[in-house]
Amino acid sequence: DQQVKQNSPSLSVQEGRISILNCDYTNSMFDYFLWYKKYPAEGPTFLISISSIKDKNEDGRFTVFLNKSAKHLSLHIVPSQPGDSAVYFCAAKEEGGGADGLTFGKGTHLIIQP
Amino acid sequence: DTGVSQDPRHKITKRGQNVTFRCDPISEHNRLYWYRQTLGQGPEFLTYFQNEAQLEKSRLLSDRFSAERPKGSFSTLEIQRTEQGDSAMYLCASSFSLGASGRYEQYFGPGTRLTVT
Repeated sequence: DQQVKQNSPSLSVQEGRISILNCDYTNSMFDYFLWYKKYPAEGPTFLISISSIKDKNEDGRFTVFLNKSAKHLSLHIVPSQPGDSAVYFCAAKEEGGGADGLTFGKGTHLIIQP
Repeated sequence: DTGVSQDPRHKITKRGQNVTFRCDPISEHNRLYWYRQTLGQGPEFLTYFQNEAQLEKSRLLSDRFSAERPKGSFSTLEIQRTEQGDSAMYLCASSFSLGASGRYEQYFGPGTRLTVT
């Protein structure tokens, strides 16, 4: 039972344009969300996070939007650069006293085309 | 480099053998996590420690798996009587948690790729 779903296995975007990666979750106890980026043969690298008390968090070229009623979040990368080509994972956890392990989606492979 | 380190990076073993992996977290981090990742999947949580105490275990952590963090610093993950289904990338992560800080980022190491033949 996938509690965190990334329904697009891959996404191709032209350099300089906006990349939008989507993530849906089913567990209503999740209230902290993270995005990770992974290159081949490396561990996931933390990008940006958001708590459920917010609906937007921005860090440079990366912005995460959270729609709690729809149980949906998205990661926007603008402008997209060649180095952004990687697999992006959405992850979630229960904030506060809940379980501490992260629950990950299957990932979306982002390909930035020159 | 003060990131999370893991050793070895690759391990090939025969079915039935025991293997042990080591993780060294970021030095000031008090929490350490183990995850497993198979092809086409995201990382799956196995277990975590706060200092030397093992506080949570996933149902994925069968009796053949044991993890320790004896002095609250490095950790080891041992798999006994390995099976082909144990072939995966084993990832370690660490974080610093102080009460209800509101920040829950975990920082991952490069992983140990296990192949069971």
